[in-house]
Amino acid sequence: EDQVTQSPEALRLQEGESSSLNCSYTVSGLRGLFWYRQDPGKGPEFLFTLYSAGEEKEKERLKATLTKKESFLHITAPKPEDSATYLCAVQGGSYIPTFGRGTSLIVHP
Amino acid sequence: DTAVSQTPKYLVTQMGNDKSIKCEQNLGHDTMYWYKQDSKKFLKIMFSYNNKELIINETVPNRFSPKSPDKAHLNLHINSLELGDSAVYFCASSSPGGLTDTQYFGPGTRLTVL
Repeated sequence: EDQVTQSPEALRLQEGESSSLNCSYTVSGLRGLFWYRQDPGKGPEFLFTLYSAGEEKEKERLKATLTKKESFLHITAPKPEDSATYLCAVQGGSYIPTFGRGTSLIVHP
Repeated sequence: DTAVSQTPKYLVTQMGNDKSIKCEQNLGHDTMYWYKQDSKKFLKIMFSYNNKELIINETVPNRFSPKSPDKAHLNLHINSLELGDSAVYFCASSSPGGLTDTQYFGPGTRLTVL
């Protein structure tokens, strides 16, 4: 069974204080690892898909990286508008998407 | 332009009732999903349809019945609602291609069973 564990569960940062969110996974035949952002009362919003170890993707202040066992979402100089829950998900050979429980990020001005 | 829409946004009902949630996507995607997000924000897949055909059914009670009249619509009907069904239900769609599927989510339907 595919598993995804995200840490920390919650993270408080000051504006401009860079940090990283972790997503550890076990999957049979990784087809893709996804990062989503979810704001309160809304559906998850797609950020990145990573397909193979060593791959990196960037979008504004966010950078996602992937190894064979984990992915990191690096947030550089965050702003209050980056506050949200960040979800990690994997899709393996079964094609069934498996989500982690998310990291709730709060960025204080 | 709304990509994935759900109705209603909120649904409050009594135990034992039957209710439906509707989902529509205008992205031209072939695959649609229903997810349940519990009070601890854990998102778990329930069903997936590809071109109106059920392809994923994740040990969901048979009180839950998805119906896909066409590939742009996936509705969820729930019979004999129970307290434990209270959650936020998300519809999503994707277009399989290449290695994997990127999913686009609707805004969610918050179901409260009293």
